[in-house]
Formats: sequence, structure tokens, C-alpha cells
Amino acid sequence: EIVLTQSPGTLSLSPGERATLSCRASQSVSSSSLAWYQQKPGQAPRLLIYGASSRATGIPDRFSGSGSGTDFTLTISRLEPEDFAVYYCQQYGSSRGTFGQGTKLEIK
Amino acid sequence: EVQLVQSGAEVKKPGESLKISCKGSGYTFTNYWIGWVRQMPGKGLEWMGIIYPDDSDTRYSPSFQGQVTISADKSTSTAYLQWGSLKASDTGIYYCARLSFGMVGTYYSYFGMDVWGQGTTVTVSS
Repeated sequence: EIVLTQSPGTLSLSPGERATLSCRASQSVSSSSLAWYQQKPGQAPRLLIYGASSRATGIPDRFSGSGSGTDFTLTISRLEPEDFAVYYCQQYGSSRGTFGQGTKLEIK
Repeated sequence: EVQLVQSGAEVKKPGESLKISCKGSGYTFTNYWIGWVRQMPGKGLEWMGIIYPDDSDTRYSPSFQGQVTISADKSTSTAYLQWGSLKASDTGIYYCARLSFGMVGTYYSYFGMDVWGQGTTVTVSS
């Protein structure tokens, strides 16, 4: 089973700053199978990025994804107040998926 | 509107059985895999398994194989997650989600879990 490790566990930033979240896989992952989700308290997760770098419908362009192989990154170019949440990476392959443990993005 | 609507919160005792549901609408239910995801209190997301409602092809995460049963009724566009004997450690929020796929060039690619249910809270306590 592929293990995804996200870092940092918590990221403290201010609105307007740039956020860089990392997701590292225990073995190489196809870029086409890597997704990112945002979850706010009391809400279901929301798909942000699929295929490592494609934005889902309705996602603002301040969100971008990159990476390949075992290292993937979610970047939020200029943080808005509504962006403070928990972010998860997820991979899918061989009819199974796994999630990273999450990165909490909090207001500094 | 494309949506998944889950059944309501449940409070059960250890050893009891339970079946929760996830009803799809606004799209062709049989054309998409449905996945189940667990979130234990204060914790992250865990992939449990998926089902293809058209033929009930089901794939489980090794961690959940034998612990739960995933099923679907395509006549009612509903997927199910059930337990035969609940434990306190089954307490959590359970989400269903639609898996989306598409073609990128000549490759069939994963487009993520693009529609989520609102979650069903399951509490198991004596």
C-alpha cells in the first residue's frame, strides 16, 4: 500500500502570504492519480486538484498543484481568510486509494 | 444538481449491526464508482473501499476488508455501508463520494472524488 506523508503537520501563515504544502509518496505515483482536497470544520472534503495539477471546477486560480514521482506540492499563491482549513493529498491506483494525514493551515 | 445524500446520524451499542446509505441524484448513478471514507474523531481521512453500482464490483482497502460490507442497489441509486457487529472504534463520520474518471489524451485518468455526501455520524457506545 502506498503511504502518503504530508508536511508540515501545521502551517501558520497570514492572509496574503503564500502557502506551500508537501505530499511525499512511499513509492512512485502516477501524476494522473494524485488529488488534493480541502476540508473545513464540520464540512465534507472538497476536491481542489486532480491529476496533480488540474484545478477542479470552480476552484480559484490561486490554488495550483505540481510534482511528479514521489513528491507533490499544493501552492496557494495569496491566502484568503476562507483558505484556512485542513488539506489532504490522495492517490489512486489499482482500484485502491490512500490519503495523507493532512496539513492544517492556520491563521498566524 | 448532482448530489449524494446520506442517511442520518446513528447511535448504537457495541455488538449491534448497522447499515447506512448514500443516495445519488442528478447523474447516471451506474456510470460512476462510489467510495466510502472514514474520519475518526479529530483525525484524518481513511479510504475504506469502492463499488461500481452497475455490476456491484467492490474493492476494499486491506484495513477494512472483512470489517465492513459495501453494497449498492442500482434500482434506487443507493450505495450502502454496513457492519455486522459494531465496536467502539467504529465511531466516526463516514462519507460517501463519487469517483470521477476521464480521458487525458489516450490515457484513462483519475479525476478525483468530485462529489461528496454530507457525512453520517456513527457513535458506538455502551
